[in-house]
Amino acid sequence: GQQLNQSPQSMFIQEGEDVSMNCTSSSIFNTWLWYKQDPGEGPVLLIALYKAGELTSNGRLTAQFGITRKDSFLNISASIPSDVGIYFCAGKNYGGSQGNLIFGKGTKLSVKP
Amino acid sequence: SQTIHQWPATLVQPVGSPLSLECTVEGTSNPNLYWYRQAAGRGLQLLFYSVGIGQISSEVPQNLSASRPQDRQFILSSKKLLLSDSGFYLCAWSSGTFGYTFGSGTRLTVV
Repeated sequence: GQQLNQSPQSMFIQEGEDVSMNCTSSSIFNTWLWYKQDPGEGPVLLIALYKAGELTSNGRLTAQFGITRKDSFLNISASIPSDVGIYFCAGKNYGGSQGNLIFGKGTKLSVKP
Repeated sequence: SQTIHQWPATLVQPVGSPLSLECTVEGTSNPNLYWYRQAAGRGLQLLFYSVGIGQISSEVPQNLSASRPQDRQFILSSKKLLLSDSGFYLCAWSSGTFGYTFGSGTRLTVV
């Protein structure tokens, strides 16, 4: 079945540093989504991308839908302690099972003040 | 606006006891509903999804079952819990077009 490779698995950074994580797939997706999960909470949608090449920002977050439709990246600029959490990428192919999302395994971000 | 409610927030159950976790969605009709399990600090494992009342698809054979008795209600059950059933359980809904909206999760500890 379809799989997403999300990297890195974990990151330990200093406050103020920029962060970059990405997801790649062997299959084409029509939609890429990025979620953040705070400890003990459910994931929350950060950014949704619907077109190849699309670059979207949400505050200090920027995400891009790769031109090949097989990858996406998320950048966080000037990280702060509340950026701590697990970030998940997710892709959707409308030809897939009931339009279900495929999730990456997550990138765990730790920020040192 | 749409909201999703999941309860209880935490649960400690002995091995062999039954389980019932409930999820309800408000403000939408005929949602797609999902149950995920997450081991500590790890990825999301899809357990069940439903596209309508009484329609349940199982992604992973296990000790759990799901039911959808009403359009906006999704229940995760077990007749006899195992230690390996411990984890963080998340319910989610979608319209089928956009992304998922997750509930706040249930932390289940089987002792």
